[in-house]
Amino acid sequence: ILNVEQSPQSLHVQEGDSTNFTCSFPSSNFYALHWYRWETAKSPEALFVMTLNGDEKKKGRISATLNTKEGYSYLYIKGSQPEDSATYLCAFRKEKLVFGTGTRLLVSP
Amino acid sequence: KAGVTQTPRYLIKTRGQQVTLSCSPISGHRSVSWYQQTPGQGLQFLFEYFSETQRNKGNFPGRFSGRQFSNSRSEMNVSTLELGDSALYLCASSQQSGSLETQYFGPGTRLLVL
Repeated sequence: ILNVEQSPQSLHVQEGDSTNFTCSFPSSNFYALHWYRWETAKSPEALFVMTLNGDEKKKGRISATLNTKEGYSYLYIKGSQPEDSATYLCAFRKEKLVFGTGTRLLVSP
Repeated sequence: KAGVTQTPRYLIKTRGQQVTLSCSPISGHRSVSWYQQTPGQGLQFLFEYFSETQRNKGNFPGRFSGRQFSNSRSEMNVSTLELGDSALYLCASSQQSGSLETQYFGPGTRLLVL
């Protein structure tokens, strides 16, 4: 059974804080790791698809790194804003996408 | 381009009934995947269709089935509904089927089984 773990489960930060969360996945037979942002009452939105060990991707204030040898990925948000409040999901891709349960981020003004 | 659309958005059914959910992918996308989300659970993969063929299937009972039409639109059917089938059902489309493909999600159908 493929297990994708995300931590922490939830996080509450103040506007301007930088934050990061972790996604752990099986390190063997790695294909790809996906990150999604899911805002309340909206559809999950793709952030990154990561494939290579050492990969680092960036989109505005959000960046992600990948370590396939040890089976983890970090997502960083620099200078969090209230509009960053959402659940951040990672998904390990083999034949299918296996999602973690997400990290729920709340950014207070 | 229009996004992924799902109908209906909300549905209330009773135990034992059956239900059909519909998903229209982004134009040009040939792969459609279905997911179930229940409280406390992550998104659970149901199945993926590509060019009218089921490519992969998740660990769900045979009551859950799907199909894809030649225009890439997909339907998901759940027969003999149980209370535990109450969930948000999301579909996602991508251009191709593969590990590097970004999936674009629809707004979901929220099903309540009474």
